[in-house]
Amino acid sequence: DVKVTQSSRYLVKRTGEKVFLECVQDMDHENMFWYRQDPGLGLRLIYFSYDVKMKEKGDIPEGYSVSREKKERFSLILESASTNQTSMYLCATKPPGSSPEAFFGQGTRLTVV
Amino acid sequence: GNSVTQMEGPVTLSEEAFLTINCTYTATGYPSLFWYVQYPGEGLQLLLKATKADDKGSNKGFEATYRKETTSFHLEKGSVQVSDSAVYFCALQQGGSWGKLQFGAGTQVVVTP
Repeated sequence: DVKVTQSSRYLVKRTGEKVFLECVQDMDHENMFWYRQDPGLGLRLIYFSYDVKMKEKGDIPEGYSVSREKKERFSLILESASTNQTSMYLCATKPPGSSPEAFFGQGTRLTVV
Repeated sequence: GNSVTQMEGPVTLSEEAFLTINCTYTATGYPSLFWYVQYPGEGLQLLLKATKADDKGSNKGFEATYRKETTSFHLEKGSVQVSDSAVYFCALQQGGSWGKLQFGAGTQVVVTP
């Protein structure tokens, strides 16, 4: 079975803290993604990576960075958390090609206070 | 740029009712189209997909047909169950885009006994 594991289901952090969200996959997929899910807005792409140490900005990268030192692990970093980054964060992986499905982690609900 | 528009929810239905969720898209060329489902407390999982015009995707009694002429991919199910209560997302993937998905806002479906 495909497995995408996000390190935390729920996180509460203070404004200004540096926050790390971790995602690990066991499928040897090259492509990994971080999305943010907000009511009425669906999922929006923050960053993605198509190989180790390779990253590209998505639609809403401001206030975020990422790290991919190993193929199986993709980390999302909030350099200085703000209340408008309170959201559900979803990690996904996808093999190359146009049709294969994306596999999602269970999500991390982050609250910044 | 690409975009996906879904009908707003929540949609509330009685068990065994017919479900339709409208989805239209804007994209160049021939994107692949997907419906993903998110059950309460979980990440997203692929429900069905279609990769070219007139393709019909189907799974678990749900169906959607890729209509190029109307740029639509409406989701239908003839007889819903309480277990179909979830949030449904329409999404597209443009060819050559590293597998990035463009999502609609999501439609919450509530099925009552």
